[in-house]
Amino acid sequence: GIQVEQSPPDLILQEGANSTLRCNFSDSVNNLQWFHQNPWGQLINLFYIPSGTKQNGRLSATTVATERYSLLYISSSQTTDSGVYFCAVGKGGGNKLTFGTGTQLKVEL
Amino acid sequence: GAVVSQHPSWVICKSGTSVKIECRSLDFQATTMFWYRQFPKQSLMLMATSNEGSKATYEQGVEKDKFLINHASLTLSTLTVTSAHPEDSSFYICSLAGGPDIQYFGAGTRLSVL
Repeated sequence: GIQVEQSPPDLILQEGANSTLRCNFSDSVNNLQWFHQNPWGQLINLFYIPSGTKQNGRLSATTVATERYSLLYISSSQTTDSGVYFCAVGKGGGNKLTFGTGTQLKVEL
Repeated sequence: GAVVSQHPSWVICKSGTSVKIECRSLDFQATTMFWYRQFPKQSLMLMATSNEGSKATYEQGVEKDKFLINHASLTLSTLTVTSAHPEDSSFYICSLAGGPDIQYFGAGTRLSVL
């Protein structure tokens, strides 16, 4: 199956700092999504981005499908950004996703 | 977006008992739902795909007789962990496909087997 590796595995930021999270995947995909899992376990969709660039407020994402990686940018980080960020990929149809290894983010005051 | 209600949020049971977890779609007809398991500090692992009115499709290595899935209506899928043991303790999460580009997740169920 597809391997999905994320880096860094852990990240600690001061509030207001910017960061870049990376997701590498081992095969071509037609579905790539970024999620945020809050400290209580709830997953929230951030982006559907199999290719190209999208922005939503302080977050933006870029996927370079030909090179099999995606980046999530967080600007002006806030304590509420803390949690785990996952990318997940899918190949073919059926909405089935393979989740990456995750990046644990902690934003401190 | 769709609202997914998962119940219970937390359950403790004795070894050998069975536990049922419900995943309800409150405002969306879900023909397909997914069940994931997440161990502490690890990623989500897909256990099975639940299809309304038909048998679930299990991922390799997941025992279908251990993890019984029923998806009898467009708004409800259930996962029953049969004869639970301490190694089944985990965070179980359901989701539904809202389209090709989005999945909506329940809040998860934390299972502790004593």
